[in-house]
Amino acid sequence: GENVEQHPSTLSVQEGDSAVIKCTYSDSASNYFPWYKQELGKGPQLIIDIRSNVGEKKDQRIAVTLNKTAKHFSLHITETQPEDSAVYFCSDNTGFQKLVFGTGTRLLVSP
Amino acid sequence: GAGVSQSPSNKVTEKGKDVELRCDPISGHTALYWYRQSLGQGLEFLIYFQGNSAPDKSGLPSDRFSAERTGGSVSTLTIQRTQQEDSAVYLCASSPGSPMGYTFGSGTRLTVV
Repeated sequence: GENVEQHPSTLSVQEGDSAVIKCTYSDSASNYFPWYKQELGKGPQLIIDIRSNVGEKKDQRIAVTLNKTAKHFSLHITETQPEDSAVYFCSDNTGFQKLVFGTGTRLLVSP
Repeated sequence: GAGVSQSPSNKVTEKGKDVELRCDPISGHTALYWYRQSLGQGLEFLIYFQGNSAPDKSGLPSDRFSAERTGGSVSTLTIQRTQQEDSAVYLCASSPGSPMGYTFGSGTRLTVV
């Protein structure tokens, strides 16, 4: 079935620390895994994505890893800053027609 | 347009009234998606359009919900006889033709009183 589990639901870190958010998907046919950041009062914004033919992708302070065998993928944010505070959603392209989203992680970065 | 535009940004309606929510996708994007986000919750899929047809409307919660898309562009989500549980932010997204590269609008916050 279509299901993406995400944890933790909330994450509090100090500025400069790293943050890791983990997701598990159920559809072995999924081949695209984007991450979205949603700030208060705004729509989600794509921040990074990974396809199933690679195991890791980096973009400055953010990185995503994918373990197809375990059906796990994770978002890593290093050197966190207060402006990283937001809700983060993982997703996969179950059925190749739409994205199914995790339940979200509220990240709070304290100065 | 430069981005996905949704209107109105906020809508307060009385229980039992009908409402229409509008989405203007990015020009040239053939795929359009509607999601619902209840307070503090995740993104619940409602319906997906490819051109003017809806191959997947499995997420519509009840027959009070319907959506259409005309000219391969603008889409309207209609909720009839609104109920308090319909209160949520309704998000629209578009993409060039596959789920990759979704761009979301800012949403319509619907409050049913």
